[in-house]
Amino acid sequence: GIQVEQSPPDLILQEGANSTLRCNFSDSVNNLQWFHQNPWGQLINLFYIPSGTKQNGRLSATTVATERYSLLYISSSQTTDSGVYFCAVEGDSGGSNYKLTFGKGTLLTVNP
Amino acid sequence: NAGVTQTPKFRILKIGQSMTLQCTQDMNHNYMYWYRQDPGMGLKLIYYSVGAGITDKGEVPNGYNVSRSTTEDFPLRLELAAPSQTSVYFCASSGQGIANYGYTFGSGTRLTVV
Repeated sequence: GIQVEQSPPDLILQEGANSTLRCNFSDSVNNLQWFHQNPWGQLINLFYIPSGTKQNGRLSATTVATERYSLLYISSSQTTDSGVYFCAVEGDSGGSNYKLTFGKGTLLTVNP
Repeated sequence: NAGVTQTPKFRILKIGQSMTLQCTQDMNHNYMYWYRQDPGMGLKLIYYSVGAGITDKGEVPNGYNVSRSTTEDFPLRLELAAPSQTSVYFCASSGQGIANYGYTFGSGTRLTVV
């Protein structure tokens, strides 16, 4: 099956700093999503982005499908950005049931 | 609009007991999923459903069963609980159409098997 690798595994920032999280995947995809899991365990969908660039406030994401990677940018980080960021993909094997394969995540800690 | 509702939030089971994790969504989504999350790991797909009456296995289905009698409900059944099933379980749903592909997750069920 498709492999998903996220880097870095851990990241510690001071409030106000910017960061870039990376997601590499092993095959072509027709579905890629970024999620944030807050310290209380809730999973929130940030972006559906199988290709191209999207922005939502301080967060933006870019997927370069031909080179099999996606980047999540966090600008002017806040303590509420702390948590685990997951990249998840569905391989483009024909048809789609929107089943996602998750990476192991990047644990982000933002200190005040 | 409640989204995806999971019950219970916490449960402790003894080895060999059975239980059902409940999942309900009110967004009229066709697609529903059950994932488990082990410490330090990403989520792994247990079962999924593309509509009422249709279910299929994911990556780690052994020890679990599901049913989908209505669009809204997608319960997960654990038979003969084992310590390896200690995990956090998440239910999710997604719709059709590009505006609805993003997953909506429930708040999770933390299960401990002792």
